[in-house]
Amino acid sequence: EAGVAQSPRYKIIEKRQSVAFWCNPISGHATLYWYQQILGQGPKLLIQFQNNGVVDDSQLPKDRFSAERLKGVDSTLKIQPAKLEDSAVYLCASSLTGTGETQYFGPGTRLLVL
Amino acid sequence: SQQGEEDPQALSIQEGENATMNCSYKTSINNLQWYRQNSGRGLVHLILIRSNEREKHSGRLRVTLDTSKKSSSLLITASRAADTASYFCATVLYNQGGKLIFGQGTELSVKP
Repeated sequence: EAGVAQSPRYKIIEKRQSVAFWCNPISGHATLYWYQQILGQGPKLLIQFQNNGVVDDSQLPKDRFSAERLKGVDSTLKIQPAKLEDSAVYLCASSLTGTGETQYFGPGTRLLVL
Repeated sequence: SQQGEEDPQALSIQEGENATMNCSYKTSINNLQWYRQNSGRGLVHLILIRSNEREKHSGRLRVTLDTSKKSSSLLITASRAADTASYFCATVLYNQGGKLIFGQGTELSVKP
């Protein structure tokens, strides 16, 4: 079974530029999550989708971050404009039903904002 | 804010020794999960323990849960160099849509 795919793996941008990350979850998984992991910390949930609807985006900085999952499959997370403090690893995860079961994580995208 | 706190923050042991990591949390949970993260990679699920369970085993892993103390521990027996990684506990709260709330993690180093 193919795992969660993410691209790109690394990205370096300058502050105030925009960047987009892509995630393709495990086939058949209804729930997709985006996490931000700052160096030395645990992952923090940014947004959770159930199919193509948003379940939780309470910790998403909506003035600069946006995410979509238009067809209920793959998803894109965008940052515009980026700030220095956005430097982190962005992890995508998926789960079958979103009811607190195991989540499967992709390899992450490491973002450096200069 | 983080729900879980892990202790110790870093742990260094020799191959063959046992490693114990602890996790404390603040509010009632549906379940608690442990994940491993190798350097520069995504997280891998290790084990899930439900709020009505007290102990679970998986290979060399043993997890305990004490809901009265709001704490959990992960024991890795007969550690190997390949166990070197960061270990995170994550809680699932009731009526929170199944999202995971992660602790800060324990960085384990197993020396050959």
